[in-house]
Amino acid sequence: DGGITQSPKYLFRKEGQNVTLSCEQNLNHDAMYWYRQDPGQGLRLIYYSQIVNDFQKGDIAEGYSVSREKKESFPLTVTSAQKNPTAFYLCASSISGSSGELFFGEGSRLTVL
Amino acid sequence: DAKTTQPTSMDCAEGRAANLPCNHSTISGNEYVYWYRQIHSQGPQYIIHGLKNNETNEMASLIITEDRKSSTLILPHATLRDTAVYYCIVRVARLETSGTYKYIFGTGTRLKVLA
Repeated sequence: DGGITQSPKYLFRKEGQNVTLSCEQNLNHDAMYWYRQDPGQGLRLIYYSQIVNDFQKGDIAEGYSVSREKKESFPLTVTSAQKNPTAFYLCASSISGSSGELFFGEGSRLTVL
Repeated sequence: DAKTTQPTSMDCAEGRAANLPCNHSTISGNEYVYWYRQIHSQGPQYIIHGLKNNETNEMASLIITEDRKSSTLILPHATLRDTAVYYCIVRVARLETSGTYKYIFGTGTRLKVLA
């Protein structure tokens, strides 16, 4: 079945450690996105990518990094520079075009101890 | 970027129509409006989208005002399973790169369907 797979579902890390969240899609979508969600809040855009080897900062990119070496993969690294990394992270993808909808993964919940 | 404003919460009786409003007064002419819902920290689920005309699918109807400054999502016969947070989203084009878009989420409306 086609879809978006995020891993791990739950992740714990100590302060000062970098952590990488995986996002893989087999929908052949060009665009991929990372969002952050805090409790009781909406989704905020971290990074997005339209094509391989190209990506743009969203509204809250500080403390995060991404790569897009393959069309189907868009990993997000939460660095030690991110002051409040504990959150729910959602990856999404879409077809390029006039009205492509977003397809979401099930999310990764990161807790910093 | 165009932003959306939604009421924080709404209640609806089971079996009745749920009408969820959204204000997007700064929307540009080529920016689509999308609606998603999210149930208990799962990935958001697509409902419907539109540009200028009203739209209907098996889940809902979307009514967009003529000036495009606001829209309403209608769930015609709400059930308990429709209890969720509903997000109104504007898709914004990145001017520097043709075909690149970002989806701007608001804070959403928490809809509670009452038995």
